[in-house]
Amino acid sequence: AQSVTQLGSHVSVSEGALVLLRCNYSSSVPPYLFWYVQYPNQGLQLLLKYTSAATLVKGINGFEAEFKKSETSFHLTKPSAHMRDAAEYFCAVIGSGGYQKVTFGTGTKLQVIP
Amino acid sequence: EAGVTQFPSHSVIEKGQTVTLRCDPISGHDNLYWYRRVMGKEIKFLLHFVKESKQDESGMPNNRFLAERTGGTYSTLKVQPAELEDSGVYFCASSQSRGARNTIYFGEGSWLTVV
Repeated sequence: AQSVTQLGSHVSVSEGALVLLRCNYSSSVPPYLFWYVQYPNQGLQLLLKYTSAATLVKGINGFEAEFKKSETSFHLTKPSAHMRDAAEYFCAVIGSGGYQKVTFGTGTKLQVIP
Repeated sequence: EAGVTQFPSHSVIEKGQTVTLRCDPISGHDNLYWYRRVMGKEIKFLLHFVKESKQDESGMPNNRFLAERTGGTYSTLKVQPAELEDSGVYFCASSQSRGARNTIYFGEGSWLTVV
């Protein structure tokens, strides 16, 4: 079984500041990890994914995440927040064996302050 | 290439009525998933089809929910009769083949409000 915990249901940053959204995972098998974003009234869009290759994963819109096995973490970062980054972000995990069943975190709403 | 499409995008129905949500996966994707997000809660897995077969329906909340995927193409999710707690957004997703490396693509969601 696998699960993810997102710390902070709401995060506020100033425009141009560092974005850090935290995600810790639990998995009985080596995990594959994802970050999805949901903009207001839109569907889920894949930001990036970790599938056991490089531990530092770069995604779209300037986001990146680093897989740290020792810390069971997969935090999402962006060096400089933009107003268009305001959305809800979901960390998700799949066990590496068997078929895909995505387990999502509870989500973190990112507010960007001008 | 068309993405995962869902219909209707929004639906408002009265308690006790029936609603049918439709999902068209990306062409050629054998895996089709339904997820649901009730307001303020996390996104929860409902079920998974591989072609026309139900691989896993462990997340279906109760027997008011019925999912089908005739012919292994589009899928429908029927809620009958709808209850207030069924309100939320229903996401459909698809992926190409077995194996966790394949990306799961989500649709825009069907937003259901039961009044």
